[in-house]
This record gives sequence, C-alpha cells and structure tokens, in this order.
Amino acid sequence: EAGVTQSPTHLIKTRGQQVTLRCSPISGHTSVYWYQQALGLGLQFLLWYDEGEERNRGNFPPRFSGRQFPNYSSELNVNALELEDSALYLCASSNPSGANVLTFGAGSRLTVL
Amino acid sequence: AQSVTQLGSHVSVSEGALVLLRCNYSSSVPPYLFWYVQYPNQGLQLLLKYTSAATLVKGINGFEAEFKKSETSFHLTKPSAHMSDAAEYFCAVIRGGTASKLTFGTGTRLQVTL
Repeated sequence: EAGVTQSPTHLIKTRGQQVTLRCSPISGHTSVYWYQQALGLGLQFLLWYDEGEERNRGNFPPRFSGRQFPNYSSELNVNALELEDSALYLCASSNPSGANVLTFGAGSRLTVL
Repeated sequence: AQSVTQLGSHVSVSEGALVLLRCNYSSSVPPYLFWYVQYPNQGLQLLLKYTSAATLVKGINGFEAEFKKSETSFHLTKPSAHMSDAAEYFCAVIRGGTASKLTFGTGTRLQVTL
C-alpha cells in the first residue's frame, strides 16, 4: 500500500512568489490535513479537508489556502511568500474509521529567499 | 483547551540505556494521546496511541507509554536504546474529539551515543 505522497520534496522561492504543494493520501482515506513545521515553532495545524470541503483552519493568514479534489488529493497554495514561510510542510491523511490516527507524508521543504 | 508539554527538548542516552521521554497533558476530559517519531528528513510516523483502553500502551520498535491520570502524564519509554532510535519524538493530544484538533508538543530530540 502506497503511503501519503507529497511533491515537490524541496523547492526554493523568492519573497512575493506563489507556491503550490501537492499531496496524495493513502487509498481509502478521505481526510487530508496540512501542517507547517517551521524551525523553532513546532508543528502548526494549517488546514483540514474532508470529502472535498474545508472543515477547519488553523491560525494562518488567508494567503494560505488549498483545496481537495474528487480523488481526495489536495493542494496547498501559499501566495505572496514571506521569509518566515520557510518550513517543512507536512500532509497527513486519515479515514473515517481511523480512530483519529494521521498518516504523514515525508513533507515538502520550502525555502523562501 | 487541551495541550501537551514535553519536558526536555534534547535527551541524550547511551546505547543500551533506558529511554524516558516525558509528556504531560492538560485536559478536562479523557484525551486521545499519541507519540509520533520523526527521523531526519522524513515525515512523522505513529509510534503508539492511547484511546482510553489499556493504560499501558505498546508501540512499534519496542517503545511503550503509560497513561497516568493522577499525574496527567503519558511518558514514552524503551528499556534499551539503539542507535537507530535517534530521532525527534512528538507527543500529541486530540482536542475536541477529531483529528483536526490534534495538537503537538514541541518535540524532544533523542541522541543515542556509543
């Protein structure tokens, strides 16, 4: 069984640019979660998508957005990049009967210069 | 609101020694508690979870954790450390009953020395 896959694994952007990160959940998982892991800040919850709808959002500005597609894959978009957006972005998925267990991907490491 | 506190951002043990990583939670209701491990340049992997069944939870790679309500603790232990255990460990708690409320501690980096 394939795990949660994320792309790209690494990318470098400059301030003001936009970035799109992609996530494919485990087959059968309908929920996708996005977390930001910035140096010194730990893991911060960004977004939760389930059945194509945004269900919950963390304390992040509106320039962080995303969507979930009919096949349950998801995109995270970050507009107007700032230096402090440099972080590892982790995607996780779960299924409705998964007892709240999240399975994480390896992450996309974003560097903003 | 539920949260977790991990005591010690860095822990160093010798290979073969006991591993003890501390986690305390604050919760007004019985929580769901988790330990995740993150190896270098990788995502998080679930080690074990507590969901109000047995208080002693066994996980992967020889790790276990004991839920102690009286101490509001969920410490992670392993009897004998191995070099491959070097990683960052995160305690996490569910707030509000859904995975979207999963809140992580700040993490403890475990170093294993010869």
